[in-house]
Amino acid sequence: DADVTQTPRNRITKTGKRIMLECSQTKGHDRMYWYRQDPGLGLQLIYYSFDVKDINKGEISDGYSVSRQAQAKFSLSLESAIPNQTALYFCATSDFLQIQPQHFGDGTRLSIL
Amino acid sequence: ELKVEQNPLFLSMQEGKNYTIYCNYSTTSDRLYWYRQDPGKSLESLFVLLSNGAVKQEGRLMASLDTKARLSTLHITAAVHDLSATYFCAVDSGGAGTALIFGKGTTLSVSS
Repeated sequence: DADVTQTPRNRITKTGKRIMLECSQTKGHDRMYWYRQDPGLGLQLIYYSFDVKDINKGEISDGYSVSRQAQAKFSLSLESAIPNQTALYFCATSDFLQIQPQHFGDGTRLSIL
Repeated sequence: ELKVEQNPLFLSMQEGKNYTIYCNYSTTSDRLYWYRQDPGKSLESLFVLLSNGAVKQEGRLMASLDTKARLSTLHITAAVHDLSATYFCAVDSGGAGTALIFGKGTTLSVSS
């Protein structure tokens, strides 16, 4: 089983819909991250969480919200999806000091029509 | 605000040749990470560089870090087709264990 599991893997939806992307991990890491990847732009940080009670905005948080339901679960929501949020979304985890690299899930490909 | 720049963004190489990818960053950091991504896949960690002068090697890839110059390099020796992928560098944005800022990636294509 994967250490970092993202669901769904693919989603097609319409403009204005509310979408939730889920991430769960079995690595026991406190720190979790959501990134967005667009062609040619690398990965951009949306939100990150250092523990259940700590949520921080990243580079591109507008239009997104997150929930850290437990140490192992971190969800990303698009309250009212728009077409320019079409992208590949990655969840990642890391240990406290990031001595080891961040560990990434397989990604969710989201298309908004 | 931390900025991370990679160059080149696209690299077409012949098998057997050597080349270097550069990663420059704008503010002080002593932690840098290199990742590989195959098309449609997730990111795979290649190297973690945690101090000035750090050098890591794995197969045909070697990464180094110069924190004074705010520069990391990923050197490819005698390229083979299997190295075709996109390579990202990423830097700790504010000290140990904080969020990473990624470069835009270098897409490498190796042909015979």
